Amino acid sequence: GESVGLHLPTLSVQEGDNSIINCAYSNSASDYFIWYKQESGKGPQFIIDIRSNMDKRQGQRVTVLLNKTVKHLSLQIAATQPGDSAVYFCAENIVGTYKYIFGTGTRLKVLA
Amino acid sequence: NAGVTQTPKFQVLKTGQSMTLQCAQDMNHEYMSWYRQDPGMGLRLIHYSVGAGITDQGEVPNGYNVSRSTTEDFPLRLLSAAPSQTSVYFCASSSGINEQFFGPGTRLTVL
Repeated sequence: GESVGLHLPTLSVQEGDNSIINCAYSNSASDYFIWYKQESGKGPQFIIDIRSNMDKRQGQRVTVLLNKTVKHLSLQIAATQPGDSAVYFCAENIVGTYKYIFGTGTRLKVLA
Repeated sequence: NAGVTQTPKFQVLKTGQSMTLQCAQDMNHEYMSWYRQDPGMGLRLIHYSVGAGITDQGEVPNGYNVSRSTTEDFPLRLLSAAPSQTSVYFCASSSGINEQFFGPGTRLTVL
């Protein structure tokens, strides 16, 4: 069964509403950021990324916003669907390295 | 393409035993890495490789060894398993500083 993420912060959203998941990153030298989705029993799956020379990037139903001043990253999911239920992680890449630092994750629950 | 594959999916070890977690990718990616995932702690980097013959330590390397003899394979060895190594282990690969592709994970329990 699922043992990872037992004590994660949880965001509950009504189906069809928009979701906003936040992440505070740790290193001001980070210049590349990724959002991952992890479903129960599976590995993380890439959703969207953004580099530090951008403030906003849009994908299909998802938008990532980057605020370098306060080291904050957010993921917006439009018209949230039951299939969006998962744990979402942000990750930052330390410039000049291959090292990524992952956030602890947020569990998104979509209510029917 | 199979992407990133990991074996075994589940493993139970006794304290002191050794074993190797296998990871392979068929995307010709230069970069590969191993992470462990524990409840409430996100993913932590154990070791990584930027190409065949090149490996380096991540955030939590103690108790683990790696080697990269080919582009495709990146095995992780536990020399003497300890209960603190009970975790879910993920292997990932990428073509550079961009999207990482993750394997399905290995769930390891050390008694």
